[in-house]
Parts: sequence; C-alpha cells; structure tokens
Amino acid sequence: NAGVTQTPKFRILKIGQSMTLQCAQDMNHNYMYWYRQDPGMGLKLIYYSVGAGITDKGEVPNGYNVSRSTTEDFPLRLELAAPSQTSVYFCASSSPYRIYGYTFGSGTRLTVV
Amino acid sequence: GQQVMQIPQYQHVQEGEDFTTYCNSSTTLSNIQWYKQRPGGHPVFLIQLVKSGEVKKQKRLTFQFGEAKKNSSLHITATQTTDVGTYFCAGLEMNTGFQKLVFGTGTRLLVSP
Repeated sequence: NAGVTQTPKFRILKIGQSMTLQCAQDMNHNYMYWYRQDPGMGLKLIYYSVGAGITDKGEVPNGYNVSRSTTEDFPLRLELAAPSQTSVYFCASSSPYRIYGYTFGSGTRLTVV
Repeated sequence: GQQVMQIPQYQHVQEGEDFTTYCNSSTTLSNIQWYKQRPGGHPVFLIQLVKSGEVKKQKRLTFQFGEAKKNSSLHITATQTTDVGTYFCAGLEMNTGFQKLVFGTGTRLLVSP
C-alpha cells in the first residue's frame, strides 16, 4: 500500500516549457487534490476532483490543467511555465470518511528559470 | 470566501517548554483538522475535531475546537526536538456540499535542545 505517489520529485523547467506532474493513489479514494506551497507559506488549492471524469477549479487554477480518467490517477499539466509557478506541488487524496483526513504525496519541487 | 488564519506565524522554544498555536476562521466550520509538516516533508494528518467544544489528546498534544466552531487550538506540553515542523489547521466550511478543506497559514515551530 504505497498511498499517494508523485513523480518527479524535482524538476527544472525553462520559461515557456510544459510538463505534467504525475499523481497516483492506491487507496481507492474518490477525492483527489492538487496544492501548491510557496516557500514559507501555506497550501493553495489548484484543482480538485470528486471522481473519474469530474474536476473543478480551486483558488489558484490559472496556468494549470487537470484530467481524471481513472480513480487512481490525477495528473497536473503546466502549460507555458512561468517563474511564478516555481513552487512545491502536493497531490492529496481522501475518502468520503472525513475522519481519516487527507493523505499527501511527498511532493514535486519545481523551479522555472 | 472562507479564510483561516493561524497565530503565531513562528515560534522558537527551548526543549521542555510548552507551545500553543491558534486557528481562527472567518466562517463557522463543520469540522477542523490538524496537520504537521516536517521541514522538507509533506503534511501529515494528525486529528479531526467535529463537535463544539471538543477536546482531544494525543500523548503530549491537546487539540480543542471552540464553542462557536470558528476557532481551534493545538497545545504541545513539554516540547521535544521531534516536534519541530509547521502545524496547519484546515477547516471545512458549514453547509459545503463537498469536503474541500481550507488550510490555515501555518505555525512554524522550532525547538532548541
């Protein structure tokens, strides 16, 4: 039982490049989330999904896109990377049973230069 | 929209001293969760509080949910160096159709031996 797995762990992008951050969970959780965390700051919700085929915007969705074709996978796409997207990205998942909280992946540290 | 503030932003204590972080929401919450993030790590779920005035303990950690369900606190008794990290509260707004947590700004704790 691996929990939430994120790849890659680190990435350096040049301005204007694109990339996909991968997230997979093996807990059969319906709900999945993408957050970004800037240095010394809290967590900002980018996108979330309540199940396969259903996604919605969080508070900072601009510059990002998501898809959810399966229960397990929730990739985050960055198009035309900008320095403002330099951050640590966390994927999380949760079950309908709120008592267990969110399970976070180990994060992807992205630098845009 | 809902805002969740935490104070203090940062606290540095000597090992053995107590520590408290406070969480305040602009709206009434249906529940509140607490997470710990070690330096360089990812947030890890600690506990959830649901009832007005609820108090829960985990060894040296005491969590409290306010009577009005708009504030919460985390108290650590006799801190240890292993308590170092950032503590986040996260609230679920009342009458929200989907469990989308709003994370607080976090309190960073440093413990000196």
